[in-house]
Amino acid sequence: EIVLTQSPGTLSLSPGERATLSCRASKSVLSNYFAWYQQTPGQPPRLLIYGTSNRATGIPDRFSGGGSGTDFSLTISRLEPEDFAVYYCQQYDGSPTFGQGTKVEIK
Amino acid sequence: QVQMVQSGPEVKKPGSSVKVSCRASGGTSNNYVIGWVRQAPGQGLEWLGRIIPALDLRDYAQKFQGRVTITADGSSRTAFLELSDLRSDDTAIYYCAKERTNTDPALESWGQGTLVTVSS
Repeated sequence: EIVLTQSPGTLSLSPGERATLSCRASKSVLSNYFAWYQQTPGQPPRLLIYGTSNRATGIPDRFSGGGSGTDFSLTISRLEPEDFAVYYCQQYDGSPTFGQGTKVEIK
Repeated sequence: QVQMVQSGPEVKKPGSSVKVSCRASGGTSNNYVIGWVRQAPGQGLEWLGRIIPALDLRDYAQKFQGRVTITADGSSRTAFLELSDLRSDDTAIYYCAKERTNTDPALESWGQGTLVTVSS
């Protein structure tokens, strides 16, 4: 099983700032099989990024994904109030697994 | 846009089983894949398995092998997750989600979640 470790656990930022979230895999993951999700309280997760860098339908372009091999990242260029949430990375190169999540909170 | 509609909350005794349903509404294709993910209170996401209804093919997370069964009724576009031998740590919200395509397992359309509480 591929273990995903996200960092930091919590990111405290202000609206308008840039957020960079990291996800490290315990072994190399094919770039086609990596995704990011956003979850707000009481809601199911929402797909943000698939295939490492492709935005899902309706996702604004302030969200971008990148990386390869074992190191992946999600960047939010300018935080909007609705972006304060928990973010999960996922790999599906084999049996899917999720990271433990990064909470982006208002500073 | 396909919407996933799940069955209501369940309260179960330890050792019993639970069956959660998930119906796909909207969309026209019957060529889709449904995955199941759970989230314990205050915790992260955990993948349980998936099914391709059109082919009746399924795949389970190793952790749940022997306790989880995923089935589907293609005519009603409904998938089912059954979890047996329930324990208190199975208390969680169980989500179904449609994979983006048959070759891309990113989970694109999520159900609202079904809370399963295991308590004596």
